[in-house]
Amino acid sequence: EDKVVQSPLSLVVHEGDTVTLNCSYEVTNFRSLLWYKQEKKAPTFLFMLTSSGIEKKSGRLSSILDKKELFSILNITATQTGDSAIYLCAVEASGAGGTSYGKLTFGQGTILTVHP
Amino acid sequence: DTEVTQTPKHLVMGMTNKKSLKCEQHMGHRAMYWYKQKAKKPPELMFVYSYEKLSINESVPSRFSPECPNSSLLNLHLHALQPEDSALYLCASSQDRLAGVSEQYFGPGTRLTVT
Repeated sequence: EDKVVQSPLSLVVHEGDTVTLNCSYEVTNFRSLLWYKQEKKAPTFLFMLTSSGIEKKSGRLSSILDKKELFSILNITATQTGDSAIYLCAVEASGAGGTSYGKLTFGQGTILTVHP
Repeated sequence: DTEVTQTPKHLVMGMTNKKSLKCEQHMGHRAMYWYKQKAKKPPELMFVYSYEKLSINESVPSRFSPECPNSSLLNLHLHALQPEDSALYLCASSQDRLAGVSEQYFGPGTRLTVT
């Protein structure tokens, strides 16, 4: 059974701090790892990672994947109160012939709270 | 445009009611998904449609009945639900899942309460 574990489960920081969120996984036929941010409603897409060692960046957020050690990290620098949210890591596995089942297995999420 | 829309935003229904949730996307995506999310839990996959055909049913009870009338629309028909079915129901879509890796985009969800 595919498994995704995130840590820490919750984190409280002050504005300006840098945070690192962790995601480890056990998946048969890994295809991709995705990070989402969920505030009140829908998860919003942040990054999709498929290759090891290639950092993806978007503003103050960055993420990298290690397919040998089976984990990913999400970094947020100079945190702001608007970064307060649940950060979800999800992994997608391949089906027959390398195609996608379309099934995302989510971790429990990390609840990030940023105080002013 | 990376928008997935869902209606209604909130729904309260009794256990004998029949209702439907609707999802729409105009991004040309050919894969659409229904997820269920309980409070403080991650989303759990219910159904996957690929090219308007049901490709994954994650052993969902028959009181949930999905329908994909065309490539832009996805419905979830509800009948004889139980109070434990109360949750946030999320719709998502992605590009043709046979063509390569692509991310799923989520709608805002329907908050369902079964009384």
